[in-house]
Amino acid sequence: GAGVSQSPRYKVAKRGQDVALRCDPISGHVSLFWYQQALGQGPEFLTYFQNEAQLDKSGLPSDRFFAERPEGSVSTLKIQRTQQEDSAVYLCASSPLAGQGNTEAFFGQGTRLTVV
Amino acid sequence: SQQGEEDPQALSIQEGENATMNCSYKTSINNLQWYRQNSGRGLVHLILIRSNEREKHSGRLRVTLDTSKKSSSLLITASRAADTASYFCATDEYGGSQGNLIFGKGTKLSVKP
Repeated sequence: GAGVSQSPRYKVAKRGQDVALRCDPISGHVSLFWYQQALGQGPEFLTYFQNEAQLDKSGLPSDRFFAERPEGSVSTLKIQRTQQEDSAVYLCASSPLAGQGNTEAFFGQGTRLTVV
Repeated sequence: SQQGEEDPQALSIQEGENATMNCSYKTSINNLQWYRQNSGRGLVHLILIRSNEREKHSGRLRVTLDTSKKSSSLLITASRAADTASYFCATDEYGGSQGNLIFGKGTKLSVKP
């Protein structure tokens, strides 16, 4: 596709439910990042993939959060036993090079997760 | 944790006026980027300035970088209603492990027609 695509755009989950958020990066992009954006705040880093390898997961807030990119393209962010504090917009970004600092990163429109 | 702090948090101006937003950061960096986010949308890259550059232009945008003060500014000239959005600076930490971006909290710009 032309850009980074995320699905679903909106997700309402009951507390304790598991959710899976999908990211389709731009074809051929090496790097894929997940960010969490709380209301009125800037995005905060969650995890980083270079191709299929998860090189950094230091931003994942708890072991309830898990991300994968098994074939080096599509990525899934899974949150188990959702809590109200997980409510946020989850943004996916991809870039053609390793890392994100040296080049423009392309962001998807995000998935807005609301835990009730 | 967030690296940058944008100033002001919110800015309201009339169409045609210039808008200036400032960003301060904490650590040494390789590059600094500015992004725009329209309500309910993803972030759009505006401009990247390297640590050895002091000023960069792109259309109506002018970015400055002062590494000695660990600060940057974004100037939007002749603003338009379509410029209404939140603006974020983002840095990659020099010597950082993987080059992910560290964002500030953003400046919410409102341009009134």
